[in-house]
Amino acid sequence: SQTIHQWPATLVQPVGSPLSLECTVEGTSNPNLYWYRQAAGRGLQLLFYSVGIGQISSEVPQNLSASRPQDRQFILSSKKLLLSDSGFYLCAWTRGPGRDETQYFGPGTRLLVL
Amino acid sequence: DAKTTQPPSMDCAEGRAANLPCNHSTISGNEYVYWYRQIHSQGPQYIIHGLKNNETNEMASLIITEDRKSSTLILPHATLRDTAVYYCIVRGTTSGTYKYIFGTGTRLKVLA
Repeated sequence: SQTIHQWPATLVQPVGSPLSLECTVEGTSNPNLYWYRQAAGRGLQLLFYSVGIGQISSEVPQNLSASRPQDRQFILSSKKLLLSDSGFYLCAWTRGPGRDETQYFGPGTRLLVL
Repeated sequence: DAKTTQPPSMDCAEGRAANLPCNHSTISGNEYVYWYRQIHSQGPQYIIHGLKNNETNEMASLIITEDRKSSTLILPHATLRDTAVYYCIVRGTTSGTYKYIFGTGTRLKVLA
């Protein structure tokens, strides 16, 4: 079966510090991968998605970047965090077009920028 | 991508059926309707999806109107553990991948 992991589970960082959140998927190959952010009390906002290694599409201009160095690894980064980067970050995957396209979510990382 | 409209909140008595409505009047012919739920501080959990026909699984039933402009998620016997935010999503396709546009969902509270 497939599983998706995210770490860390929670993170408290000062303004201006760097960020690296990691997401990995097990039990599948060539997944499409997604990063979402959820502000407190709000819906999910799609940040980035990737259809393959090194292929990143950005949905919203912002202080964050994403990378996909391996097939089942997706990383969300920032060089300098802002207060507005606080939120709940979710990674998700699908099997890709033409296959079961249901999106499955990881447990999330709660980020607090102080 | 089609947009969905859901009531912000609903209450349901424990053991009764919970019927959660969703409007998606601009849905295209090849766009699926997906339902997820999110329990506080967890990632969204997939419930069910459909294109035209009604669907049922071990968690819920999905009723899609004939014109596909609205749908209803039915939890047949709601329990306290079904208290969550429920998202109705119409899935679009862009550049070979699928984009899920999440709204603010319906906060369902199951009452004892």
